[in-house]
Amino acid sequence: DAGVIQSPRHEVTEMGQEVTLRCKPISGHDYLFWYRQTMMRGLELLIYFNNNVPIDDSGMPEDRFSAKMPNASFSTLKIQPSEPRDSAVYFCASSIMTGRPLTYNEQFFGPGTRLTVL
Amino acid sequence: GQQLNQSPQSMFIQEGEDVSMNCTSSSIFNTWLWYKQDPGEGPVLLIALYKAGELTSNGRLTAQFGITRKDSFLNISASIPSDVGIYFCAGRFRASNTGKLIFGQGTTLQVKP
Repeated sequence: DAGVIQSPRHEVTEMGQEVTLRCKPISGHDYLFWYRQTMMRGLELLIYFNNNVPIDDSGMPEDRFSAKMPNASFSTLKIQPSEPRDSAVYFCASSIMTGRPLTYNEQFFGPGTRLTVL
Repeated sequence: GQQLNQSPQSMFIQEGEDVSMNCTSSSIFNTWLWYKQDPGEGPVLLIALYKAGELTSNGRLTAQFGITRKDSFLNISASIPSDVGIYFCAGRFRASNTGKLIFGQGTTLQVKP
């Protein structure tokens, strides 16, 4: 079974450039989450979607960050313009609501995109 | 903000030893999850807990949902070198009406063969 797919795995860019990270959730999953991981702050939730609709974007650091989910099998996280402090590993995760309560809490993570902004 | 306190921060043990780590919160949770992250990879779900007092095993791993609903522990028995990695607890506050999980800061485990 294919897990969560993220691309690219590594991205190196210069300050001021636009960066787009991509995610394909597990087929059939109806929740999609974007996280950022740094040594200083650990894993932080940026935004999550349910049935392609953004539910909570309170973790998005500022207007330079935006996320979209045009359909059930694709989401993007865009940073424009990028800054050195955006350097981190960005994870996408997905989950599914089943007949068992709270199972949508069981999030499955992709391999991450390591972003370096010079 | 809402936080989880995970301890210990790191452990260096001998192969074959048992390991125990835990997470505590000041608020009541209705879900506890334990993840493992290998270098260069995303976290992998190990165990999910949904009921106070629940004790669940996954091979050599055992996790419990504390009866106060404010803590959880993970035990690894007879550690082996491939247990090396970072272990994260994560939880969802009972009062939360969102799908947000709160993650602990992680326990880094190193196993000496």
